[in-house]
Amino acid sequence: GAGVSQSPSNKVTEKGKDVELRCDPISGHTALYWYRQRLGQGLEFLIYFQGNSAPDKSGLPSDRFSAERTGESVSTLTIQRTQQEDSAVYLCASSLLAGALHFGNGTRLTVT
Amino acid sequence: AQSVAQPEDQVNVAEGNPLTVKCTYSVSGNPYLFWYVQYPNRGLQFLLKYITGDNLVKGSYGFEAEFNKSQTSFHLKKPSALVSDSALYFCAVRGGGKLIFGQGTELSVKP
Repeated sequence: GAGVSQSPSNKVTEKGKDVELRCDPISGHTALYWYRQRLGQGLEFLIYFQGNSAPDKSGLPSDRFSAERTGESVSTLTIQRTQQEDSAVYLCASSLLAGALHFGNGTRLTVT
Repeated sequence: AQSVAQPEDQVNVAEGNPLTVKCTYSVSGNPYLFWYVQYPNRGLQFLLKYITGDNLVKGSYGFEAEFNKSQTSFHLKKPSALVSDSALYFCAVRGGGKLIFGQGTELSVKP
């Protein structure tokens, strides 16, 4: 595709529910990243996939967060038993091995 | 572990004046450094990067950045600011594959 696509663009969920966020990277990009951006704050690294290597999960804030990637294609970020503190914009980006990141428009998650 | 610091939460500049947005980094090995811009209600856009070579890197929209190894800095600059440059600017460093971002600096350019 032309760019990184994320869905849904907005998600409102009740506290305690599970949510799944999707990211379609740019075709051919081997690296895929997930970040979290709380209102008025910077980008918090969550997880990084590179090709077939084991993902770098060092940024996941708790075991309620997990992510998967199918080959060098789609990735899903799952948040189980959502909490109000999980409310944020979740950003996905993809890149070639050491290149610049191309960001999607993000998923705005609101936990009520 | 790598880290990035942007010491100024906000920078205010008059239109037509030069601007500088500061960034310092810490990383083991050679640094790969980036600047991104985020306009209100929009995604992040790549401005420029330093991998190797000339210490002065030129990027999009007339921005440039100067890599200084001894000071571990990568400050973003523009000779003449525009009101339309007002946005949130992020510095980032790559280490161990992943890209770590600073907390961002809000640039405000007034007419």
